[in-house]
Amino acid sequence: ETGVTQSPTHLIKTRGQQVTLRCSSQSGHNTVSWYQQALGQGPQFIFQYYREEENGRGNFPPRFSGLQFPNYSSELNVNALELDDSALYLCASKGTGFLNTEAFFGQGTRLTVV
Amino acid sequence: SQQGEEDPQALSIQEGENATMNCSYKTSINNLQWYRQNSGRGLVHLILIRSNEREKHSGRLRVTLDTSKKSSSLLITASRAADTASYFCATLRNDYKLSFGAGTTVTVRA
Repeated sequence: ETGVTQSPTHLIKTRGQQVTLRCSSQSGHNTVSWYQQALGQGPQFIFQYYREEENGRGNFPPRFSGLQFPNYSSELNVNALELDDSALYLCASKGTGFLNTEAFFGQGTRLTVV
Repeated sequence: SQQGEEDPQALSIQEGENATMNCSYKTSINNLQWYRQNSGRGLVHLILIRSNEREKHSGRLRVTLDTSKKSSSLLITASRAADTASYFCATLRNDYKLSFGAGTTVTVRA
């Protein structure tokens, strides 16, 4: 149990719809990052938030957006869903001194786009 | 693109045997981390090794890092059925994002 919780655990959406995934970070952690993991692949970095500001982004289109709230929880929003967006979405939180600290991952949200 | 690549892609061993998997990466790093994932769920952090460290131990785990060869290895000794999982290496560069490889799937047979 990492203290990082994600909701929902499973979700089915139709192509073209929009989805919001949520993540509660571990207590005291001010950095949250999101990853997309397609079946059989390693996680791919989407973006990272530090104290409510995005401070890093991977190779994902603008329809992937996010927010971090004052309590450091976070949301991942995906607009205009495509079939290829079907994946496990993972959220991870880290504390200060984040260069040499481990990331704690939630159990993920399994998104299926049909 | 993925920074790290694990080798082998899959490994099947008998309970009690040791399991070794390797990770290669492309650019300079701040640290390298190993994670375990059971049945496509969340990742569990196993061990972190900094770029100025060469070897680290944690219980039955031993990790080595060779920055000149840009490679790392994870050794699991005396494997158990519960070690059946996918193992990922992830590198952290100064841009603060973790870059994962495609993973090694380990099956421990009873």
